[in-house]
Amino acid sequence: DAGVTQSPTHLIKTRGQQVTLRCSPKSGHDTVSWYQQALGQGPQFIFQYYEEEERQRGNFPDRFSGHQFPNYSSELNVNALLLGDSALYLCASSATGQGPAFEQYFGPGTRLTVT
Amino acid sequence: GDSVTQMEGPVTLSEEAFLTINCTYTATGYPSLFWYVQYPGEGLQLLLKATKADDKGSNKGFEATYRKETTSFHLEKGSVQVSDSAVYFCAPSLGGSNYKLTFGKGTLLTVNP
Repeated sequence: DAGVTQSPTHLIKTRGQQVTLRCSPKSGHDTVSWYQQALGQGPQFIFQYYEEEERQRGNFPDRFSGHQFPNYSSELNVNALLLGDSALYLCASSATGQGPAFEQYFGPGTRLTVT
Repeated sequence: GDSVTQMEGPVTLSEEAFLTINCTYTATGYPSLFWYVQYPGEGLQLLLKATKADDKGSNKGFEATYRKETTSFHLEKGSVQVSDSAVYFCAPSLGGSNYKLTFGKGTLLTVNP
């Protein structure tokens, strides 16, 4: 079982550019969540996708958008990058039908550096 | 509003010492409660969970009990090992939803031999 995979591992972008991060969920999972983890902080929820639609969103601006594909994989897009967007971006997958526990399994993350 | 407060570290213990990491939360409704662990150079891993009042989650010698009356979910281990050195995150599902996790700031634990 491959677990949650993310690409790329590291990325360096310039302020004002746009970036796309990718995530493949664990086998059998249909739900993908994205989190931003700044250095020394806990992850913060960006949004969650289920059935190819955004189901819930955290307190992030519209510059952050996403997409889920029919095979349940997902992309996170960030436009007009700011220095403050530098962080580790984590993808987590879960199975919506598994009940109230909603265990989320995390990928290794993509380290984004904005210069 | 809904929030989580986790004991801040760093925490340094000797091997075989007792560990407690406090976690309290404010929430509407009854969230599911989770502890995640991040070992050096690795991703976040689910350590244990509890979904209703008085449930006790346990794994790898760690335990935490869902205390509704005190809205707490403290992590404990009776005898820590060097291999337990990691960052620990309390993560309830707040906001009246089981969809998102709200993470604490994390507690860095270092266990010395």
